[in-house]
Amino acid sequence: KNEVEQSPQNLTAQEGEFITINCSYSVGISALHWLQQHPGGGIVSLFMLSSGKKKHGRLIATINIQEKHSSLHITASHPRDSAVYICAVSGGGADGLTFGKGTHLIIQP
Amino acid sequence: EPEVTQTPSHQVTQMGQEVILRCVPISNHLYFYWYRQILGQKVEFLVSFYNNEISEKSEIFDDQFSVERPDGSNFTLKIRSTKLEDSAMYFCASRGRGSSPLHFGNGTRLTVT
Repeated sequence: KNEVEQSPQNLTAQEGEFITINCSYSVGISALHWLQQHPGGGIVSLFMLSSGKKKHGRLIATINIQEKHSSLHITASHPRDSAVYICAVSGGGADGLTFGKGTHLIIQP
Repeated sequence: EPEVTQTPSHQVTQMGQEVILRCVPISNHLYFYWYRQILGQKVEFLVSFYNNEISEKSEIFDDQFSVERPDGSNFTLKIRSTKLEDSAMYFCASRGRGSSPLHFGNGTRLTVT
């Protein structure tokens, strides 16, 4: 069974700061997902990674398969980035995701 | 952009009653999932469904739970006899073939009293 750990659990930063959220997992995976959950509860998929690095706008996600570690970076953070960011991993095929507890991010103006 | 839709958004039921949570996945998707999130806790996998059958289920998905895809568009989760501890937000998700991204619905908040 995969254990997914995220750090930090909570993060408060000022607008414009560079944000890093970390995720580590215990067992080899086929893909790692970064998800965003807003206060209303809805979940949006940000990235799905199996190797290397992906970028979308101000968001960058990296994964190191050997170290079983991934990071999500937000550049030039904005109050609208405030949300819970969740790391989740899958073993492939129809496998369900195993989720981390999430990082609660607040960006203050 | 196509989206996964879930109904109802909020369901209140009494302990022991049966509930059916409904989902309409994105039309050309092949893999379907139910997840739940108890308030304040992390999201947990319940069940995956592919090729008209259950592919994988978690320990949570016991005999009280069942899933159906009755007509090629809807995907339902039934809880036969609800317990207080079934109170949670239930998310439906779907994805296409290969490494396509997962799309989540907005969730159904189930409250068992």
